[in-house]
Amino acid sequence: DAMVIQNPRYQVTQFGKPVTLSCSQTLNHNVMYWYQQKSSQAPKLLFHYYDKDFNNEADTPDNFQSRRPNTSFCFLDIRSPGLGDAAMYLCATSRGAALYGYTFGSGTRLTVV
Amino acid sequence: EDKVVQSPLSLVVHEGDTVTLNCSYEVTNFRSLLWYKQEKKAPTFLFMLTSSGIEKKSGRLSSILDKKELFSILNITATQTGDSAVYLCAVETAFGNEKLTFGTGTRLTIIP
Repeated sequence: DAMVIQNPRYQVTQFGKPVTLSCSQTLNHNVMYWYQQKSSQAPKLLFHYYDKDFNNEADTPDNFQSRRPNTSFCFLDIRSPGLGDAAMYLCATSRGAALYGYTFGSGTRLTVV
Repeated sequence: EDKVVQSPLSLVVHEGDTVTLNCSYEVTNFRSLLWYKQEKKAPTFLFMLTSSGIEKKSGRLSSILDKKELFSILNITATQTGDSAVYLCAVETAFGNEKLTFGTGTRLTIIP
């Protein structure tokens, strides 16, 4: 089945130690999104790629970066994780409009110790 | 800044009751409003609404959008314990590239 896969499902990292989360898709969707969802809060958009065009939200901390080497893969890099970065990170894809649907991955739950 | 507000924040009802969840929004370049159900994992899609006054229905769930008053409601009739979840409202905006802005969600708990 075509889908969005996030790895790992659970990630524990040390305070200040760089960590990378990955997302892959078999849907051939041109848009990929990264959302951060803290406990009991709404998902918050960090950035998205429209094809190769990178779009950063104005309030996304500089500590967060992203790479999209090809259509299928997208990575979220956290350069120096702090305790406040502990959250569920959701990857989503779309063909550029809700009309075609947004597909979410199962998420990566990040714990910072 | 785009804003999506849901109410109530949490709701506890007995099985068989009917519930109404609310979502209001203030955004630039509205495209559509979406409802998602989230249990301890990624959100799952329920409805997409683009036109005012047209009810979308799926089994015991239904939703409607009012683009003049900038709100939507999600109704669940004859609730079951499996309906317990967080219900998220999201608004799609198009300002070059489409994206979703989520509300904080309503946590619905159904008591057997």
